[in-house]
Amino acid sequence: GENVEQHPSTLSVQEGDSAVIKCTYSDSASNYFPWYKQELGKRPQLIIDIRSNVGEKKDQRIAVTLNKTAKHFSLHITETQPEDSAVYFCAPSNYGGSQGNLIFGKGTKLSVKP
Amino acid sequence: EAGVTQFPSHSVIEKGQTVTLRCDPISGHDNLYWYRRVMGKEIKFLLHFVKESKQDESGMPNNRFLAERTGGTYSTLKVQPAELEDSGVYFCASSLTENTEAFFGQGTRLTVV
Repeated sequence: GENVEQHPSTLSVQEGDSAVIKCTYSDSASNYFPWYKQELGKRPQLIIDIRSNVGEKKDQRIAVTLNKTAKHFSLHITETQPEDSAVYFCAPSNYGGSQGNLIFGKGTKLSVKP
Repeated sequence: EAGVTQFPSHSVIEKGQTVTLRCDPISGHDNLYWYRRVMGKEIKFLLHFVKESKQDESGMPNNRFLAERTGGTYSTLKVQPAELEDSGVYFCASSLTENTEAFFGQGTRLTVV
């Protein structure tokens, strides 16, 4: 099965700084790479995703980069704001394969200090 | 459009009792997933329905857990009898197909005392 690791487990940054969270996975068949944000007491919500035929995707202040050879992908948040404080989960999966479900990392707790 | 809804939002039960969690997916979503997060650990997959059929139930921890999706609409997850280690947040998610975004419900926080 898929082994997923996220680093770091906690991250504290000053408002305006950048934050980078890395996710490594083991299943070379993984072809879908989403990042979920879970604010305290709320549901996980998809914030950005990338498929295996793309190396990078950007949406305003957030971006995801994928390195399929090394089997890792990263979440980049620039110009961080206090409302970015949350737990972020990566969830690589193999859509269309034997696993249609998402395998989540353990999460990274991001704290943005004003 | 209504999102994924879960009932109840919180449940506190005694060890040995039975609890039933309900999930109403987004209308038209054939795929329904159950996940849980216990003791601040990662969100773990429990099972996956495609319509009323169990596509993958490899994440179900033991036979005290029973999930159903009669008619392919809402789903229930029953825990009987509940144990202390079952405490956590149970999430339901749905997606139109296996290749599209999964939308999560707010979760049910289960506390077994």
